[in-house]
Amino acid sequence: EIVLTQSPDFQSVTPKEKVTITCRASQSIGSSLHWYQQKPDQSPKLLIKYASQSFSGVPSRFSGSGSGTDFTLTINSLEAEDAATYYCHQSSSLPHTFGPGTKVDIK
Amino acid sequence: QVQLVQSGAEVKKPGASVKVSCMASGYTFTGHYIHWVRRAPGQGLEWMGWINPNIGGATYAQRFQGRVTMTRDSSNNTAYMELSRLKSDDTAVYYCARDEGGYDLDYWGQGTLVTVSS
Repeated sequence: EIVLTQSPDFQSVTPKEKVTITCRASQSIGSSLHWYQQKPDQSPKLLIKYASQSFSGVPSRFSGSGSGTDFTLTINSLEAEDAATYYCHQSSSLPHTFGPGTKVDIK
Repeated sequence: QVQLVQSGAEVKKPGASVKVSCMASGYTFTGHYIHWVRRAPGQGLEWMGWINPNIGGATYAQRFQGRVTMTRDSSNNTAYMELSRLKSDDTAVYYCARDEGGYDLDYWGQGTLVTVSS
């Protein structure tokens, strides 16, 4: 099973600041890495698919990069509505797995 | 627009089974896999498996093998996830999610809370 680790676990950020979340896979997964945002009492929402492709309707301040084992989700100029937990998800091999999540809080 | 609407919250005793439904609309149901993902209290997301609504075949995460069954009723555009021999640590919100086509999950149901308690 491929294990995904995320860092940091938690980040408290002021509005307009840049946020960088990393996801590391225990073995190479190519570009089969997706990012989701989950707000309290809501379902997850797809932000980035295949490491760097933005999902339709997602604000342009969200971007993704990486391949192989190391991936990054960047939020440029954080807005208050971005307070959420962010998860990475690998679909390279079975079972699909998720990272433990990174909680982003607004100062 | 694409929508996945799940059945309501359930309370079950240990050892019982639960069946959660996921009704799809706004797209061709047989054209996209449906995945099931759960989130236990204070925990992260956990992938359980998928079903191909076109042929009805399913793939399960090994840790749920023997306890989970995913089915579909194409006449009603509905997918089902049944989990048996429930334990207290199966208490979680269960989500269905549509596979866009490359295993990325582009639309999610609203979630169904399953509470397992004696």
